[in-house]
Amino acid sequence: GAVVSQHPSWVICKSGTSVKIECRSLDFQATTMFWYRQFPKQSLMLMATSNEGSKATYEQGVEKDKFLINHASLTLSTLTVTSAHPEDSSFYICSAHDRDTGELFFGEGSRLTVL
Amino acid sequence: KNQVEQSPQSLIILEGKNCTLQCNYTVSPFSNLRWYKQDTGRGPVSLTIMTFSENTKSNGRYTATLDADTKQSSLHITASQLSDSASYICVVSGTGGGNKLTFGTGTQLKVEL
Repeated sequence: GAVVSQHPSWVICKSGTSVKIECRSLDFQATTMFWYRQFPKQSLMLMATSNEGSKATYEQGVEKDKFLINHASLTLSTLTVTSAHPEDSSFYICSAHDRDTGELFFGEGSRLTVL
Repeated sequence: KNQVEQSPQSLIILEGKNCTLQCNYTVSPFSNLRWYKQDTGRGPVSLTIMTFSENTKSNGRYTATLDADTKQSSLHITASQLSDSASYICVVSGTGGGNKLTFGTGTQLKVEL
């Protein structure tokens, strides 16, 4: 079946560095991808909607200059956490919308720990 | 404001028992409703997706119902197993505007021996 791959699955970085997370749809084309953040024992919080070939749409309260999103192709979107701080430590998940079937698939998530 | 409310917030049941999770929504206009299972530290996995015209859909031991008139959905789990312990998330999609999704806060299910 369709799979959405996220990489890396976990990353530890020092405060002030930038971290890039990739989200790939492996066997379908995704015109729209979504990025979420999830804190322990809480539900997913939508951060932004990423449309291929255009600028991402950010949810209220999400800093677009801190969370850079690029959706350069129909199978790849990237989230870059710039100048990461400990409070950015979280579980980041992407999802991809299959443009042919309308199904929505989630990646396995990326756990970011900022020291 | 579009909202999705799930109940109960958490639930503990014994292995082999059945349980039902609830999802009420105010999303309008409505496109579809999805139930996902999320294991701790993993991404959500789709269980069912239901459109306006569908009342019931099953996936193994999972059966979802939808009442579009009352804007309610339920997820029934039969003969629960330890591996059913997870968070169950209801997601409602509205039409237009890029099919914006509204997430419920989830029901945390724990199945015990």
